[in-house]
Amino acid sequence: QLVESGGGLVQPGGSLRLSCAAYGFTFSSQSMTWVRQAPGKGPEWVSYVSGSSTSISYADSVKGRFTISRDNAKNSLYLQMNSLRAEDTAVYYCVSRRSGWYDFDIWGQGTMVIVSS
Amino acid sequence: EIVLTQSPGTLSVSPGERATLSCRASQSVDSKYLAWYQQKPGQAPRVLIYAASSRATGIPDRFSGSGSGTDFTLTINRLEPEDFAVYYCQQYGNSKWTFGQGTKVEIK
Repeated sequence: QLVESGGGLVQPGGSLRLSCAAYGFTFSSQSMTWVRQAPGKGPEWVSYVSGSSTSISYADSVKGRFTISRDNAKNSLYLQMNSLRAEDTAVYYCVSRRSGWYDFDIWGQGTMVIVSS
Repeated sequence: EIVLTQSPGTLSVSPGERATLSCRASQSVDSKYLAWYQQKPGQAPRVLIYAASSRATGIPDRFSGSGSGTDFTLTINRLEPEDFAVYYCQQYGNSKWTFGQGTKVEIK
């Protein structure tokens, strides 16, 4: 199970840190991602981190503004979001990548981020 | 970036009938990198098919995936009421993932 927190209303240019707590599986061996979905739109992959944090990648739309990290001792995943824009408004999902494959098998319930003045 | 185009945008089908959804990639995709998801209102997406044709755990066998290269298909046989939802294809390439824009399967 994955449980996100940290969403809310933030002004353009502001920052927010999302957290995701993992339960019921060996978190340290799972690659993790953040996926977002703007209202009425399809999902958009945001960022990826491998189990040991040795591999990290970002979508072009957030590169340089967002930072993904994890703390395996706390079974937690994070997304630091800076310089937020209106187009970052979305539900943000914490998602695990299926071990050995390339799909996303466990999704959290999502946390809403609204960027507005 | 590989762009996935899904068709049709909306598919009207009667319960018990078959639905065929298409996902076309702008360049060739390795089959092991192609997945299908189902999303119902207010819920997170749920993976149905991974590696183009492998059903995820707990997914009924009326769902099947096929295809290769740039053309992939999700087939839903004998549509049940709970199958009416939005379906997305997804691919992985160059350390990034992209989703299609979705196909809504609605009750006819």
